[in-house]
Amino acid sequence: KNQVEQSPQSLIILEGKNCTLQCNYTVSPFSNLRWYKQDTGRGPVSLTIMTFSENTKSNGRYTATLDADTKQSSLHITASQLSDSASYICVVSATPAYNAGNMLTFGGGTRLMVKP
Amino acid sequence: KAGVTQTPRYLIKTRGQQVTLSCSPISGHRSVSWYQQTPGQGLQFLFEYFSETQRNKGNFPGRFSGRQFSNSRSEMNVSTLELGDSALYLCASSLAGFDTGELFFGEGSRLTVL
Repeated sequence: KNQVEQSPQSLIILEGKNCTLQCNYTVSPFSNLRWYKQDTGRGPVSLTIMTFSENTKSNGRYTATLDADTKQSSLHITASQLSDSASYICVVSATPAYNAGNMLTFGGGTRLMVKP
Repeated sequence: KAGVTQTPRYLIKTRGQQVTLSCSPISGHRSVSWYQQTPGQGLQFLFEYFSETQRNKGNFPGRFSGRQFSNSRSEMNVSTLELGDSALYLCASSLAGFDTGELFFGEGSRLTVL
């Protein structure tokens, strides 16, 4: 069964500090992995998309890494800001030939709170 | 460039009723996909439409249905509502397919079933 596990479930950090969020997956066959940021009551916003051949991708202060061998990804946030307070969701896509119902598997998310 | 628009933003229904939600994608995007988000189950994929055809479907009962019009606008319908259908329903549009292209989400329609 395709699964995406994220850790930690929640995290509190002080403004200006760095943090790293983890995503482990068992989705197969792998197509791509995405990280989204979701503010409370809003729709998710894409941060990064990585395919099998990419092992790192940055978007401003956000840097995602992917290790396809160990099926792990991380999202590193540098110099956190109050506006980074949100849920971060890892989503893994399987290739179209697989069971269409499982083409997108969502992690449960990490709720990040940045305090002043 | 206008984003994805979902209407209504909030609605309250009672068990047994039906509901129709609307999604207007970003201009030029032909793929519209729908998702259900609940505190217990998180985000779950409902279905995807591409050029008026349902291309993929998640593991939801037949009470959940959708369609897409020639202008790419999409609607989803839930019939015979149950308490467990209370959720945030999100739609996303994409230039390519939902599984490969970047997804642009709307703000969602929050459904409460009493």
